[in-house]
Amino acid sequence: RKEVEQDPGPFNVPEGATVAFNCTYSNSASQSFFWYRQDCRKEPKLLMSVYSSGNEDGRFTAQLNRASQYISLLIRDSKLSDSATYLCVVSYNNAGNMLTFGGGTRLMVKP
Amino acid sequence: DTEVTQTPKHLVMGMTNKKSLKCEQHMGHRAMYWYKQKAKKPPELMFVYSYEKLSINESVPSRFSPECPNSSLLNLHLHALQPEDSALYLCASSQDRGRIGSEAFFGQGTRLTVV
Repeated sequence: RKEVEQDPGPFNVPEGATVAFNCTYSNSASQSFFWYRQDCRKEPKLLMSVYSSGNEDGRFTAQLNRASQYISLLIRDSKLSDSATYLCVVSYNNAGNMLTFGGGTRLMVKP
Repeated sequence: DTEVTQTPKHLVMGMTNKKSLKCEQHMGHRAMYWYKQKAKKPPELMFVYSYEKLSINESVPSRFSPECPNSSLLNLHLHALQPEDSALYLCASSQDRGRIGSEAFFGQGTRLTVV
């Protein structure tokens, strides 16, 4: 079983749609949670950290359920520029942040 | 300034060559990382440096040799690589170990091709 699991997609959605990605993790000692975005042939870029109380940043909302070891990302009013791969990242501290990446979910927003 | 700078951006090397990848950050981060990413796969951790000391080596072959000359710099020395080592090599940094919620910031990567 992978430590961090995501549906690889692709999710093909029209502009303006709402789309949700889920992620599950197996290490109950995980302490920090993030969503990164990666464009083709580019580096991963931090989209948002995920807090226990849930957090929102504009059109993006992230939720964490520690009991179920589950993280979600909701994108409202999708834009063409949201097309990318979204990486769920889980970390625990062990001589540095041990980031474990999910396999990524590919999103394609169509006109 | 949340920037991690990597050089070179592209590198083609032969299997008998020796080359080095360089990474620099000036955010005061004390943890630095090397990741390897193959096409359509997530990044895979290679090494972690914490306070300039190698703290994690994820069973990486010895043809990859990391070095941390100071708190801002991280190098990856390459020698006798194989074609299957061709990949995007990503450097990242984050704040001190033990600080929960410390995000990692990535450089643009070095796209390495071994011929």
